[in-house]
Amino acid sequence: DIQMTQSPSSLSASVGDRVTITCQASRDISNYLNWYQQKPGKAPKLLIYDASYLETGVPSRFSGGGSGTDFTFTISSLQPEDIATYYCQQYDNLPLTFGGGTKVEIK
Amino acid sequence: EVQLVESGGGLVQRGGSLRLSCAASGFTFSSYAMTWVRQAPGKGLEWVSGISGSDGATYYADSVKGRFTISRDNSKNTLYLQMDSLRAEDTAIYYCAKDVTALVPTAMNYWGQGTLVSVSS
Repeated sequence: DIQMTQSPSSLSASVGDRVTITCQASRDISNYLNWYQQKPGKAPKLLIYDASYLETGVPSRFSGGGSGTDFTFTISSLQPEDIATYYCQQYDNLPLTFGGGTKVEIK
Repeated sequence: EVQLVESGGGLVQRGGSLRLSCAASGFTFSSYAMTWVRQAPGKGLEWVSGISGSDGATYYADSVKGRFTISRDNSKNTLYLQMDSLRAEDTAIYYCAKDVTALVPTAMNYWGQGTLVSVSS
């Protein structure tokens, strides 16, 4: 199975800050990577697919990049409504696997 | 509007069985792969199983292979997860999710609200 390692596991930032999360795959997964947002008590929501493509309706302050084994997820200007846990997920090979999650809080 | 509504969760004893259902609406159900993802209390997401929309091919995580069976009834727009030989570590919220593709699970762009399965030891 492909292991997905996310860092940090949690972070605290101020409104308006730039926030970056990294995700590393245990082997080359090309750009077969998605990012999800999960707010407390809610189901996950797909934000970015194929590493860098924004899902319809997702604000442009969210972005993704990378390929191969190293990926990034960025919130360009953190907003109060972005408080959530973010997960990366690879689909290069089954089983689909998720990173451990990054909990984002407001400082 | 796409809607996914799970049902069938509950409290079950170790070794018991449950069948989860997911009623889908708002899209052509048979044209998309579907997936079950679970989340243990306070933990991260774990992909459990997926099924192709077109040919019904099924896929499982090693942790549930041989114990869980995914199926779908395209005439009823419903996805199922038959869970047998349940273990304490199967305790989780189970989410039904629609994939963006028809064949192999890749990305889940719509999710249900989840149904809680609790396995008592």
